[in-house]
Amino acid sequence: EVQLVESGGGLVQPGGSLRLSCAASGFGFSTYAMTWVRQAPGKGLDWVSGISGSGGSTYYADSVKGRFTISRDNSKNTLYLHLNSLRADDTAVYYCAKIPAGGDVFDIWGQGTMVTVSS
Amino acid sequence: AIRITQSPSSLSASTGDRVTITCRASQGLSSYLAWYQQKPGKAPKLLISAASTLHSGVPSRFSGSGSGTDFTLTITYLQSEDFATYYCQQYHTYPLTFGGGTKVEI
Repeated sequence: EVQLVESGGGLVQPGGSLRLSCAASGFGFSTYAMTWVRQAPGKGLDWVSGISGSGGSTYYADSVKGRFTISRDNSKNTLYLHLNSLRADDTAVYYCAKIPAGGDVFDIWGQGTMVTVSS
Repeated sequence: AIRITQSPSSLSASTGDRVTITCRASQGLSSYLAWYQQKPGKAPKLLISAASTLHSGVPSRFSGSGSGTDFTLTITYLQSEDFATYYCQQYHTYPLTFGGGTKVEI
């Protein structure tokens, strides 16, 4: 079964840091680009960052550029998102998703992990 | 960044109805537009990619059309399990962007 499982969310103070993980199973992880999408409470979907299958190319939304870093460990079938200089408006459920061959859409999603930025 | 205007933001419908949701992009996308369905407390699910290609397992009552800047998601004969929020997403240009969502309510 193709599955993505996020972890690492929690409560963090403004200016703090966090590392999210996304464990993949059931597919050739290193073959596929991956992405992070977030959703603030009661709000819509917001694309955050993407990474190629090899990890050699990365992409970021302007709102997180310079603060968040996406990475992957293909030997561990795991995707990461390092969140630094967190702000209250980063509070959201963070989803990882798989990008199929042929287009930057998101065909498999994890269940999400909640990040709350508050003092 | 490409802006996606999705309308309406919400609509009321009944089972058996035909529902249409539209997305308008601030610049041409060719056919690089996808549609997702999200139910409360759940992750989104991919319905349609390339503006009109139904994803595996998605019922045929869902259909997509359009190209360039104007796109439509149509649900014919609405079922109870279709009450959800729907989002469009452009993947023509980074940064990838979503429409604001349409909540389909009973």
